[in-house]
Amino acid sequence: GDSVTQMEGPVTLSEEAFLTINCTYTATGYPSLFWYVQYPGEGLQLLLKATKADDKGSNKGFEATYRKETTSFHLEKGSVQVSDSAVYFCALRFQAGTALIFGKGTTLSVSS
Amino acid sequence: GAGVSQSPSNKVTEKGKDVELRCDPISGHTALYWYRQRLGQGLEFLIYFQGNSAPDKSGLPSDRFSAERTGESVSTLTIQRTQQEDSAVYLCASSLRRDQETQYFGPGTRLLVL
Repeated sequence: GDSVTQMEGPVTLSEEAFLTINCTYTATGYPSLFWYVQYPGEGLQLLLKATKADDKGSNKGFEATYRKETTSFHLEKGSVQVSDSAVYFCALRFQAGTALIFGKGTTLSVSS
Repeated sequence: GAGVSQSPSNKVTEKGKDVELRCDPISGHTALYWYRQRLGQGLEFLIYFQGNSAPDKSGLPSDRFSAERTGESVSTLTIQRTQQEDSAVYLCASSLRRDQETQYFGPGTRLLVL
């Protein structure tokens, strides 16, 4: 069935380090892809999304490119901040109005 | 309120008891989703409501789980005869309409079944 696989955490980085969180998916078709973030004590928030191959989603310095050939949607940021410490979830959905399929989440901890 | 709200934020119950979890979606949002997140797992879809259409219950794990929604407002998720494996964070999300990409999530209800 359709699924999302994320790298296991926790990921621990120093401030200003480069971040990559890997995400690959298995799907029969061409889903929309999402990254959600959950800051401590808060609900899930949409971070960025891409709806078709080669699209790049970006927000708050984070980027991810929809790679159909590698079925991947890796999250990157050039210089992380302590405030980026959170749990990051990769997700897919085939059409609006259907449920999201989530990965297990990756915890990021950034220290100063 | 500006966002999706859920109550209670935490619930501790004894095995075998029934629990009700509440979700207040963003006003005007016609689509409402319930998800469950067990420890160390990703979010699992439970049920989806869209306006007055029949809900999509395909994610409910057993007949002990049920949910209702009053029109396009409040939803309640009920778990009967709770089991320890029901312990999880239950998340609610809403979106403006069926064709909206973005789902807005509430803070969740953390359920612990002893």
